[in-house]
Amino acid sequence: NAGVTQTPKFQVLKTGQSMTLQCAQDMNHEYMSWYRQDPGMGLRLIHYSVGAGITDQGEVPNGYNVSRSTTEDFPLRLLSAAPSQTSVYFCASSYSNEGGGYTFGSGTRLTVV
Amino acid sequence: AQSVTQLDSQVPVFEEAPVELRCNYSSSVSVYLFWYVQYPNQGLQLLLKYLSGSTLVKGINGFEAEFNKSQTSFHLRKPSVHISDTAEYFCAVSEVGGADGLTFGKGTHLIIQP
Repeated sequence: NAGVTQTPKFQVLKTGQSMTLQCAQDMNHEYMSWYRQDPGMGLRLIHYSVGAGITDQGEVPNGYNVSRSTTEDFPLRLLSAAPSQTSVYFCASSYSNEGGGYTFGSGTRLTVV
Repeated sequence: AQSVTQLDSQVPVFEEAPVELRCNYSSSVSVYLFWYVQYPNQGLQLLLKYLSGSTLVKGINGFEAEFNKSQTSFHLRKPSVHISDTAEYFCAVSEVGGADGLTFGKGTHLIIQP
């Protein structure tokens, strides 16, 4: 099993550009979520989904959009990139929120210049 | 809402010495508790979790943690560390019956000195 796959691994954007970070899982997990990791801040929840067609905002949703058209995929869209969105982004999935523990992807390192 | 406090941002320890990484949480509802490890330039890997039952939880790589409900703590311990344990360690909680993922602490960088 591939687990949680994130692409790309690295990306440099110019301010104002848009892009989509891809996340796919092959474990038939219902729960998926996006986090950003910044030095000294830990990981903060951006958006999450409890199943296909259902998404909700996390702690830091501004500037990001998500959709969940299939169980497997949960892309994160940056609408107009800003330097404050320079971060490492992690996608995670779980079969439930009932203590199963989340499986994390290897991350996307994004730099906005 | 929940919050997680990791009291130490860095913990230097000599190789083969014991270590304890501290984690306290705050929540108005019941939570599950987790420790994750992140090696340099990698994603997060689950070390151990507390769901219910015995308050002493054993995980991978010789780590264990003890849930203390009265002190709202979930400290991580290892009796003898190895140079390969050098990593960032994150404590996290999720709400029982909730759906909004994990709330993380800010992390503790474990530095193993030879």
